[in-house]
Amino acid sequence: QSVLTQPPSASGTPGQRVAISCSGSGSNIGSNHVHWYQQLPGTAPKLLIYRTHLRPSGVPERFSGSKSGTSASLAISGLRSEDEADFYCVTWDDSLSAWMFGGGTKLTVL
Amino acid sequence: QVQLVESGGGLVKPGGSLRLSCVASGFSFSDYYMSWIRQAPGKGLEWVSYVNMRSTYIKYGESVQGRFTISRDNAKNSLFLQMNSLRAEDTAVYYCARGGTSFLDVFDIWGQGTMVTVSS
Repeated sequence: QSVLTQPPSASGTPGQRVAISCSGSGSNIGSNHVHWYQQLPGTAPKLLIYRTHLRPSGVPERFSGSKSGTSASLAISGLRSEDEADFYCVTWDDSLSAWMFGGGTKLTVL
Repeated sequence: QVQLVESGGGLVKPGGSLRLSCVASGFSFSDYYMSWIRQAPGKGLEWVSYVNMRSTYIKYGESVQGRFTISRDNAKNSLFLQMNSLRAEDTAVYYCARGGTSFLDVFDIWGQGTMVTVSS
């Protein structure tokens, strides 16, 4: 069981808005920034959101991140077929002194 | 361009050892924390270890503590992972990833990964 809990799957139709949650505790999400990765099949993860809500250069504004208390969320608006991928949240856990990844969410574009 | 290239993966028997390498290019390697992150087949991501710029701060994940050793050679822009007492559950793609100037900085650049299979 991951310290950070993500839904195993999510889905939406093209153009829709989808949100993926990441639930933790006070020692991880409650105390530190959350970051998000997108992993396309057979490729290395790509940084999508860092420091909870910032986008690296080249990441479309359709992707946004937020945090409230011990939960974080990744939102994707204007869903496109190429968004189909696995998404992971990650943060530092102060109690475990370790980086912790969520279990991942497989996004399907119907 | 900014790039990380891993090598050294392969098939090893349980209890055996393997040394992974990661060569960096396109950035000042010695200015960054570096990490190893792994992904078992069909599973999620697991952080393995990090090392700071001068190798004075090193951390390991609980599952590899005491068996794996991370190191770096800034003169050769290289990161290493010595893996001993390997177990079947260590089977995974191993990625090296660039951190930042603090251990809290996220991994922004990843290599393509190298596959390690532990099996008899």
